[in-house]
Amino acid sequence: SSELTQDPAVSVALGQTIRITCQGDSLRRYYASWYQQKPGQAPVLVIYGKNNRPSGIPDRFSGSSSGNTASLTITGAQAEDEADYYCNSRDSSGNHYVFGTGTKVSVL
Amino acid sequence: QVQLQQWGAGLLKPSETLSLTCAVYGGSFSGYYWGWIRQPPGKGLEWIGEINHSGSTNYNPSLKSRVTISVESSKNQFSLKLSSVTAADTAVYHCARGWGTTAGTYYYYMDVWGKGTTVTVSS
Repeated sequence: SSELTQDPAVSVALGQTIRITCQGDSLRRYYASWYQQKPGQAPVLVIYGKNNRPSGIPDRFSGSSSGNTASLTITGAQAEDEADYYCNSRDSSGNHYVFGTGTKVSVL
Repeated sequence: QVQLQQWGAGLLKPSETLSLTCAVYGGSFSGYYWGWIRQPPGKGLEWIGEINHSGSTNYNPSLKSRVTISVESSKNQFSLKLSSVTAADTAVYHCARGWGTTAGTYYYYMDVWGKGTTVTVSS
C-alpha cells in the first residue's frame, strides 16, 4: 500500500507535549518528512530524515520512527503551532511521493 | 536563499489544459528534483509529479495520463501541464524543491515551496 494514515485532529494544552503519528508500509523503508501548514500558506518543512530540523525550526519539534509508524512530537506546544501537519515519504517503489491524510492540531 | 516564483492561468473551462511555470532564484538548479503539489479546497496535499534538471520525470500514477512536467534548465524554470481538466482539478497548485538520499538511510523531502497558484475550473 502507498497510503499514509494520520489522525484527523488532535488537541493539546498550551505548553504540553503532543505526538502526531503517521502509519504506512513505505515507512518501513523511508523516514518520513513532516510539514506544517497554516491557513492560506504554503507548507513548511519541519522535520526530515531520522530527526533533522531545517534552519529556523524550533527545537521543540522532533521526529521518530518505529516499524511502519513515524511520529512528530511537539514538546511544549505554543499557540503558533496550531496548524495542519502532513507526513510525507516516497512510496514503496521509491519513485513517487505520497502525503499523509493530515492532522489538524489545536492548541488550547 | 532559494526562492520559487510561480505563475499561470487561474481560471479554466472544463476540457482545457492547465499550464503553470515555476522559476528558481538564488540557488543551484541541478542536484534536485523539482515538483508540483496541489491542494483542493478544504482537502489535503496531493503530489503531482517531479522533474530533475536533465528532464527525468516521475508522475503520480493517478494523474500520469494527463500530466506533463518539463524543464528549461537554461532559465532555471520548470512547468506543469495538466490536460482535460474538470472541476475536480480545482485546487491551489504549489511548486517545490525536492531532495532525497538512499545512501545508508532513506529519506526524501521538499524544503522550498512556492506560494501557490489558485486554479479554478468552471464553465
